[in-house]
Amino acid sequence: DAMVIQNPRYQVTQFGKPVTLSCSQTLNHNVMYWYQQKSSQAPKLLFHYYDKDFNNEADTPDNFQSRRPNTSFCFLDIRSPGLGDTAMYLCATSRDRGQGNEKLFFGSGTQLSVL
Amino acid sequence: GQNIDQPTEMTATEGAIVQINCTYQTSGFNGLFWYQQHAGEAPTFLSYNVLDGLEEKGRFSSFLSRSKGYSYLLLKELQMKDSASYLCAVIDSNYQLIWGAGTKLIIKP
Repeated sequence: DAMVIQNPRYQVTQFGKPVTLSCSQTLNHNVMYWYQQKSSQAPKLLFHYYDKDFNNEADTPDNFQSRRPNTSFCFLDIRSPGLGDTAMYLCATSRDRGQGNEKLFFGSGTQLSVL
Repeated sequence: GQNIDQPTEMTATEGAIVQINCTYQTSGFNGLFWYQQHAGEAPTFLSYNVLDGLEEKGRFSSFLSRSKGYSYLLLKELQMKDSASYLCAVIDSNYQLIWGAGTKLIIKP
């Protein structure tokens, strides 16, 4: 089945220890997104790729970086995680952007705990 | 600023009907989504409205009034598996997706 896959499902890391979260998609969608969602809050967009074009949100901390080596894969790197980075990280894709009816397809998420 | 308001939590009984409201103030409007999110899982698409009126899809219906900046999600014949958070999201004039914090729906037997 075509889908968005995130690994790992759960990740525990130590304060300041770099961590990488991965996302892959078999939908062949042009756009890939990374969201951060804390408990009982709205998802917060960190950045997105339109093909190879990287788009960073203005308030995304420099601590968060992303890579998209090809259409199928996208990575979220947190260089020095802080306790406040404990959250669910959601990867999503859409076929295109800039159109009203482009729904997002989400992966199962990675629950990151920073200790 | 841009804002989406939803009730934080609602409780309903199995087999009943519940309406979850969403009001929005955004810079422009290009559509409204409803997503369902079970605890610890990713959101899944439920509905999309861009024109005024009611869209029915099985047990779930979504309504939109653009002039009032208002939408609701109607869930009929509630089942225990409908216990989840329901997120309202609006696409603004720049095609940015603005999310609400979600409404946690608790279904009781």
